[in-house]
Amino acid sequence: GDSVTQMEGPVTLSEEAFLTINCTYTATGYPSLFWYVQYPGEGLQLLLKATKADDKGSNKGFEATYRKETTSFHLEKGSVQVSDSAVYFCALRRTGNQFYFGTGTSLTVIP
Amino acid sequence: EAGVTQFPSHSVIEKGQTVTLRCDPISGHDNLYWYRRVMGKEIKFLLHFVKESKQDESGMPNNRFLAERTGGTYSTLKVQPAELEDSGVYFCASSQQAGGPGNEQYFGPGTRLTVT
Repeated sequence: GDSVTQMEGPVTLSEEAFLTINCTYTATGYPSLFWYVQYPGEGLQLLLKATKADDKGSNKGFEATYRKETTSFHLEKGSVQVSDSAVYFCALRRTGNQFYFGTGTSLTVIP
Repeated sequence: EAGVTQFPSHSVIEKGQTVTLRCDPISGHDNLYWYRRVMGKEIKFLLHFVKESKQDESGMPNNRFLAERTGGTYSTLKVQPAELEDSGVYFCASSQQAGGPGNEQYFGPGTRLTVT
């Protein structure tokens, strides 16, 4: 069945460091791929998405490219800030509207 | 515009008791979803309402869980009787449409359920 595997955390980085959170997926067909973020005390927020192969989603300095050949959707940011501290979830959605999420990766950015 | 709200934010109950979680979707959103994150694991889909009807309840773990959406507005998720493995964070989400441009799901902050 459909599933998402993402890098386990927690991840701790210094401010301005480069961030990569790995995400790979298993799905039949052509799913849409997403990154959601949950800041402390808040709900999940859509960070970025890509709906087809080779699409790049980007938002707030974060990027992820839909790689069908490697079934991956890794999240990257060139220079993280303290305000990026949160839990990040990779997810896919096929036909229908059901999401499949990864386990989440907790990121802490220290000044 | 108010977002998705959930009540309570945290509930601690004893095994065998009953708990009811509530979700208020964004006004006008016909689609409402429940998800659950058991500690350290992935967020899993529980069910999907379209208005007051259950469109997909394939993720409901067992018959101790009952979801309702009378009148097609807010929804409740009742766990009766609660077991230890029910502990986790329960998220609610809503969307205007199930497919197409209006299908983005907006999530609430979640209810953290602890069963002791």
